[in-house]
Amino acid sequence: KAGVTQTPRYLIKTRGQQVTLSCSPISGHRSVSWYQQTPGQGLQFLFEYFSETQRNKGNFPGRFSGRQFSNSRSEMNVSTLELGDSALYLCASSLEGIEQYFGPGTRLTVT
Amino acid sequence: ILNVEQSPQSLHVQEGDSTNFTCSFPSSNFYALHWYRWETAKSPEALFVMTLNGDEKKKGRISATLNTKEGYSYLYIKGSQPEDSATYLCASDSNYQLIWGAGTKLIIKP
Repeated sequence: KAGVTQTPRYLIKTRGQQVTLSCSPISGHRSVSWYQQTPGQGLQFLFEYFSETQRNKGNFPGRFSGRQFSNSRSEMNVSTLELGDSALYLCASSLEGIEQYFGPGTRLTVT
Repeated sequence: ILNVEQSPQSLHVQEGDSTNFTCSFPSSNFYALHWYRWETAKSPEALFVMTLNGDEKKKGRISATLNTKEGYSYLYIKGSQPEDSATYLCASDSNYQLIWGAGTKLIIKP
């Protein structure tokens, strides 16, 4: 069974730009969660999608948004990038939102 | 406790020694406690999911216990090996949202 995939793996953007990250979950998994990880911080929960609906949302500004498609693939968008958005963005898929399987992450650098 | 807290933040252990670290979590609205291992340059991998007070799970040399009444979990590693070097994350599951600790970084010295 193929694992969770994320694209791109690395990305460099400039302040003010926007970015879209993609996550393909394990086949059959309907839940996709997004996390931000910065040095010295734990995983910060962004949001979770289940069957195309946002089921949970963390405490991030509205510049962070996401969506999920009918095939369970999910995208995360960050608009008006700030330097502080530089981080590793992980997505994780699960069957019912319990045990999570993580992708390799997208390393975003904002300059 | 409103957040999930892990201690210590980092730990250096001699190869062959046993070690343990702590995860403290809010005991209200508790559903489950997760432990993950995150090796450098890899993705976090699930170790255990525990739900019941007094639960004890074991996988090889690694085991974990759970106390939901007082809101803590211990992770134990017996006879540490170099391949155990990783960051160990715990997460408390409440209302379908995982709240993560900052992790304990374990370094095994040969």
